[in-house]
Amino acid sequence: EAQVTQNPRYLITVTGKKLTVTCSQNMNHEYMSWYRQDPGLGLRQIYYSMNVEVTDKGDVPEGYKVSRKEKRNFPLILESPSPNQTSLYFCASSLKPYYEQYFGPGTRLTVT
Amino acid sequence: AQTVTQSQPEMSVQEAETVTLSCTYDTSESDYYLFWYKQPPSRQMILVIRQEAYKQQNATENRFSVNFQKAAKSFSLKISDSQLGDAAMYFCAYSLKGSGTYKYIFGTGTRLKVLA
Repeated sequence: EAQVTQNPRYLITVTGKKLTVTCSQNMNHEYMSWYRQDPGLGLRQIYYSMNVEVTDKGDVPEGYKVSRKEKRNFPLILESPSPNQTSLYFCASSLKPYYEQYFGPGTRLTVT
Repeated sequence: AQTVTQSQPEMSVQEAETVTLSCTYDTSESDYYLFWYKQPPSRQMILVIRQEAYKQQNATENRFSVNFQKAAKSFSLKISDSQLGDAAMYFCAYSLKGSGTYKYIFGTGTRLKVLA
């Protein structure tokens, strides 16, 4: 089954404790992206990747890091999480940049 | 910079009736794509419909159709014969066509309630 998986689905952590949210897709897509969803703000793009070792900033990259060492994986790293990073995070992938995006199930992150 | 605006935070429709969700955008580009995504309570994001800016014909997918007005930069979604399963958050999105970028801009969403 074609899918995008994210782990963990739920995470509660404390300020400053480094964490990684994993994202993996099995559709051989070159394009992958991370979003955060906040009430009243919709989805905002954090980082995206157009191929292995090719990443670029979206609209809200501060406080986040990404890497793309393999085509299927695109982890999101929060090296020193803060409460304003409490949000719902989505990973997505697509075959071409303007094709349908396939989204993961989301990761609910709470930083206290 | 490109922007996408959804001015209706919430809308309601009676089952079997028709509803239209509004979306406007701003861009100086001429070649781009517009999308409507649906997010039901399960949180899963699902593509509803996609429109290429160069195509004058409005896209349709079963009960879903768009009214694309390029000059006015308007991209509304019409849902006909509304069903209870259509209740969800709907997001309008913009993406520039081209292999040099993967930037997506989403609107703030419209929550659609379907009344039985």
